[in-house]
Amino acid sequence: AQSVSQHNHHVILSEAASLELGCNYSYGGTVNLFWYVQYPGQHLQLLLKYFSGDPLVKGIKGFEAEFIKSKFSFNLRKPSVQWSDTAEYFCAVNAVTGGFKTIFGAGTRLFVKA
Amino acid sequence: EAGVTQFPSHSVIEKGQTVTLRCDPISGHDNLYWYRRVMGKEIKFLLHFVKESKQDESGMPNNRFLAERTGGTYSTLKVQPAELEDSGVYFCASSQDGGSSYNEQFFGPGTRLTVL
Repeated sequence: AQSVSQHNHHVILSEAASLELGCNYSYGGTVNLFWYVQYPGQHLQLLLKYFSGDPLVKGIKGFEAEFIKSKFSFNLRKPSVQWSDTAEYFCAVNAVTGGFKTIFGAGTRLFVKA
Repeated sequence: EAGVTQFPSHSVIEKGQTVTLRCDPISGHDNLYWYRRVMGKEIKFLLHFVKESKQDESGMPNNRFLAERTGGTYSTLKVQPAELEDSGVYFCASSQDGGSSYNEQFFGPGTRLTVL
């Protein structure tokens, strides 16, 4: 069955620290990959997406993610986090073979200490 | 352009009552999806409409849940009768149908349902 695994459920960092959130998926065929973010009290927002092409994708607010097909991974990175990055982050995947129903990871709660 | 909207934003009901959630997709989006996040768990797919037709309802938990999309515009999700385990946040998303392998879904703010 298709699945998405996020390696960390909770992450605590100090401001200016580097961030890497792991994501692996199990899904056959061509996939679309996403990272969503949910800030406290707000709704899900798209952080970045990968459909095809350059496997290193850049999103909003200085985030980037790298698609490594051989590892079925799509890790999220940010070189220097800010207090305002405190949020919950979701890795997600969909594919035409699955009718585009999106499969989400369990989410990672990031807390950035000022 | 208006985004996906959902109503109500919060609903608190008692076990055994009925609740109807509404989703208005982005205008022109043929695809409409319902997802649910139960406390502490991952966001899970419930069902997918293409226009007014149910394309995939494999994620619907049981027959207490009924989704409709009459006319292919807004959708409703009715829970009748509600049970305690139905509590959670119900998200709606919509996307265009471009006929390609790309599909970006735009999510609504969610409806937080609490069943007491």
